[in-house]
Amino acid sequence: EPQLVESGGALVQPGGSLRLSCAASGFIFSSYGMSWVRQAPGKGLEWVSTISGSGGTTYYADSVKVRFTISRDNSNNSLYLQMNRLRAEDTAVYYCAKGLQYFDNWGQGTLVTVSS
Amino acid sequence: EIVMTQSPATLSVSPGERATLSCRASQSVSSNLAWYQQKPGQAPRLLIFGASTRATGIPGRFSGSGSGTEFTLTISSLQSEDFAIYYCQQYNDWPSGTFGQGTKVEIK
Repeated sequence: EPQLVESGGALVQPGGSLRLSCAASGFIFSSYGMSWVRQAPGKGLEWVSTISGSGGTTYYADSVKVRFTISRDNSNNSLYLQMNRLRAEDTAVYYCAKGLQYFDNWGQGTLVTVSS
Repeated sequence: EIVMTQSPATLSVSPGERATLSCRASQSVSSNLAWYQQKPGQAPRLLIFGASTRATGIPGRFSGSGSGTEFTLTISSLQSEDFAIYYCQQYNDWPSGTFGQGTKVEIK
């Protein structure tokens, strides 16, 4: 049974940086694309970024392009999201999700709050 | 960007009744559509992909239909554990997969 566990969420000031991590288990991590999806408080779901199984190809939503960087370490079954120049509108629960197009397993999420 | 519009925003249904949720795309997404269920304080769970294929472990009372711009999620006989928010997501315009705003299914 696939399991995804996010960590790294915190309260950060506008303009600050944060790195989220996602530990994966229960499946062959390197065989699957992985994604980050976020949900602002009381709002719907928003796709953020996707990375191929090898890590060689990455994709970003326009709202985070240039500011966020997705990466993975297949030797440690881990997914990352480096977030720079954070804005108030980045405040959300960030979910790690297995999949490239649709997402068949999700972590429990980690809360990022951007506020002064 | 493809805009996904779900209706109604809230659906009040009695346990045991049938629930029908709609999702409309602003342009054709073929059959590249998924449905998710989210309960309060929990992560979303994949129910349907390819517009009509149930994900692993999803009960048979959940069914999806449609193609192009009009899609439907049907829950044939609502159980207590089915009261939740349901989201559709298109992935035809990949990687920019967009979600609908959600339909809340509440107890009548």
